Amino acid sequence: GAVVSQHPSRVICKSGTSVKIECRSLDFQATTMFWYRQFPKQSLMLMATSNEGSKATYEQGVEKDKFLINHASLTLSTLTVTSAHPEDSSFYICSGWDRGSEQYFGPGTRLTVT
Amino acid sequence: LAKTTQPISMDSYEGQEVNITCSHNNIATNDYITWYQQFPSQGPRFIIQGYKTKVTNEVASLFIPADRKSSTLSLPRVSLSDTAVYYCLLAEDSGGYQKVTFGIGTKLQVIP
Repeated sequence: GAVVSQHPSRVICKSGTSVKIECRSLDFQATTMFWYRQFPKQSLMLMATSNEGSKATYEQGVEKDKFLINHASLTLSTLTVTSAHPEDSSFYICSGWDRGSEQYFGPGTRLTVT
Repeated sequence: LAKTTQPISMDSYEGQEVNITCSHNNIATNDYITWYQQFPSQGPRFIIQGYKTKVTNEVASLFIPADRKSSTLSLPRVSLSDTAVYYCLLAEDSGGYQKVTFGIGTKLQVIP
């Protein structure tokens, strides 16, 4: 199957700082990329959907000013957690999708805010 | 998005066939049934997808009855490495892209 990478795989930051997570589709062009968040022992929760070149669509309850998403190309999307707080500590997973295929998920990024 | 219901957990011995059934009574005409596998601290991995009848690939089979209100993922001869959470999802075309909603999933524990 197609490959999606995420960088970094793990990040620890101090409260109040911002963190950027990159999501890349390595061998296909992702028309749409999705960002999910997963807390321990819970399922994945969709945060936002982004199409290349347009603004992301956020799910209800997700602060768009806190979780900035940029989808500048068909192979790269970034999620920036601004002014991170301990409650933002979670496992962030992206996925890429192109028409006619299923969603391909990245390996995830473990964010710990101290 | 239509909701799916599946057992929270299942145990199986190594070498046995495992069948995980998922209910999706309100499935829409355009929805595809998709199964993913997730190991701890990893992203979900695609297993299989189908619309109706039976689909088989190198790792699993997916059985879908005519009314499409349920589906069964069949894993032949499971091994310890199949211990994971399995998610049944409905993939919906939503305004030009495919959207999925994750439920709780089924935690499969394979026992030696």
